[in-house]
Amino acid sequence: EIVLTQSPGTLSLSPGDRATLSCRASESVVSYLAWYQQKPGQAPRLLIYGASSRATGIPDRFSGSGSGTDFTLTISRVEPEDFAVYFCHQHASSLWTFGQGTKVEIK
Amino acid sequence: QVTLKESGPALVKPPQTLTLTCTFSGFSLNTFGMRVSWIRQSPGKALEWLARIDSDDDKFYSTSLKARLTISKDTSKNQVVLTMTNMDPADTATYYCARTPNSRYAGMDVWGQGTAVTVSS
Repeated sequence: EIVLTQSPGTLSLSPGDRATLSCRASESVVSYLAWYQQKPGQAPRLLIYGASSRATGIPDRFSGSGSGTDFTLTISRVEPEDFAVYFCHQHASSLWTFGQGTKVEIK
Repeated sequence: QVTLKESGPALVKPPQTLTLTCTFSGFSLNTFGMRVSWIRQSPGKALEWLARIDSDDDKFYSTSLKARLTISKDTSKNQVVLTMTNMDPADTATYYCARTPNSRYAGMDVWGQGTAVTVSS
């Protein structure tokens, strides 16, 4: 099973800061990598698919990059509504997996 | 509009079997390449992918839970059912179903609201 490792565990930022979240796969997932945002009490929401494509309705301050084993989610300027937990997810193999999450919190 | 909704018991006693139903609308699981997954999240923990069923009825299970899980679909009712045997308090979690459309790099683009399950005697 492919293991996804996210870093850092927690990111403390102020509104307007740039956020850089990392997701590393234990083996290549090509571009079969998605990012989700989850707020307390809510279901996850798809942000990025195919490593770098924004899902419908996602603001352009969110961007994804990477391929193979190393991926990055960037929030260019963090807005108050962006404080949440972010998960990466791979669907390259038959058995899908998630990373353990990165919490973006208010500094 | 695509929607999914999970249903099932809120409380299960160990070692009972849990049966969860995902009822969806706005798409068909007969469409080539369409997929529906079950995912769970224990309180304060990460998302855990459990199982997936594809339009061609291929089924895939988490390695760690494979022996306890069964996934099936009823396309006439637009439902996907997950059963988990030998429930334990460690299985207390919110259980979600989610759709992956028939696109090469598509992620899970629509999720249900989740259903909370507590395992306790």
